[in-house]
Amino acid sequence: GQNIDQPTEMTATEGAIVQINCTYQTSGFNGLFWYQQHAGEAPTFLSYNVLDGLEEKGRFSSFLSRSKGYSYLLLKELQMKDSASYLCAVPYYGSSNTGKLIFGQGTTLQVKP
Amino acid sequence: KAGVTQTPRYLIKTRGQQVTLSCSPISGHRSVSWYQQTPGQGLQFLFEYFSETQRNKGNFPGRFSGRQFSNSRSEMNVSTLELGDSALYLCASRRTSGGSGEQYFGPGTRLTVT
Repeated sequence: GQNIDQPTEMTATEGAIVQINCTYQTSGFNGLFWYQQHAGEAPTFLSYNVLDGLEEKGRFSSFLSRSKGYSYLLLKELQMKDSASYLCAVPYYGSSNTGKLIFGQGTTLQVKP
Repeated sequence: KAGVTQTPRYLIKTRGQQVTLSCSPISGHRSVSWYQQTPGQGLQFLFEYFSETQRNKGNFPGRFSGRQFSNSRSEMNVSTLELGDSALYLCASRRTSGGSGEQYFGPGTRLTVT
């Protein structure tokens, strides 16, 4: 089967750095997505990793280790607006062209002043 | 470019009724997927449509159905509503060639079943 695990909640301070982890088990792998979802809003795409390593995009970076079934999202210089749920997702059984994503439960990040 | 739109945004229905939700994808996106989001289960895949054909289906009962029109707009229908169907229903569209295939979500329809 497919399974994704993320911590349920995290708290961090404005201006700090926070790392949100995601572990996955899947037969077949074709990349991992990160989405951000503010309360009451739609998820928005943050990043996609298909190769091992770190990809940086402004204050947000995403890391993937395929051998360990592990990814993390790194948020730097935290701002209050970063308070949101962060969702990790993989395509269904590693299909290369599918709209069926399997999502983790999401990590709710609270940024405090 | 306009984003994914969904109508209605909010809906209140009674048990036993049926409901139809609508989704208009981003122009040029031919794939539309539907998800149900609840606090307990998170985001769960319902189905995906591409070129008016259902490509994938999630583990939901047959009361949940959908269709896609030639202009890529999609509808989903839930018949004989149950209290447990109360959720946020999200649709997402994506390009099906090139890129990473990331999905772009609409604002969702908040369905409350009483």
